[in-house]
Amino acid sequence: KQEVTQIPAALSVPEGENLVLNCSFTDSAIYNLQWFRQDPGKGLTSLLLIQSSQREQTSGRLNASLDKSSGRSTLYIAASQPGDSATYLCAPKGDSWGKLQFGAGTQVVVTP
Amino acid sequence: DTAVSQTPKYLVTQMGNDKSIKCEQNLGHDTMYWYKQDSKKFLKIMFSYNNKELIINETVPNRFSPKSPDKAHLNLHINSLELGDSAVYFCASSGGLAGDTGELFFGEGSRLTVL
Repeated sequence: KQEVTQIPAALSVPEGENLVLNCSFTDSAIYNLQWFRQDPGKGLTSLLLIQSSQREQTSGRLNASLDKSSGRSTLYIAASQPGDSATYLCAPKGDSWGKLQFGAGTQVVVTP
Repeated sequence: DTAVSQTPKYLVTQMGNDKSIKCEQNLGHDTMYWYKQDSKKFLKIMFSYNNKELIINETVPNRFSPKSPDKAHLNLHINSLELGDSAVYFCASSGGLAGDTGELFFGEGSRLTVL
């Protein structure tokens, strides 16, 4: 059974600092891995998707890396802004049918 | 246009009642899902349908019955509601298109409160 751990559980940084969010998973046989953002009381917004054959994906200030063999993914957010405050969730996908296994998330607060 | 839409967004009801949550996606996807987020914020899959066929059914009480009338809709019916059913239920969809990456798109969630 896939277990997903996200470290740290919470993070508070001043605006402008870079953020590093870690995700580890126990079963390296994944189809892909998705990073999401969840704002309080809201749904999940997909940030980045990394296929199992890829090492990283980038979108604007966001960069996600994947080391499948060691069961790790890292989300980097450059030059953080207060609008980046949210909970970030990592979710590896076990097969093409789409069962995502979610971590508990990292709650990020960026202070002005 | 909202890609994955759920109704209602909020639902407050008494124990023992039966309720339904509806989900529709306009992305042309073949696969739809129900996920549950409990009070501790953990998200877990409940069901997945591909082209109206059930493909994932996690350990969910049989009081929960999904129904997919067509591939754009996946509804969740819950019988004899219990206090522990209080949660946020998320619908999602993915797949079936040329060049599909397998990315999941989620709805805004339906917050169910059982009193």
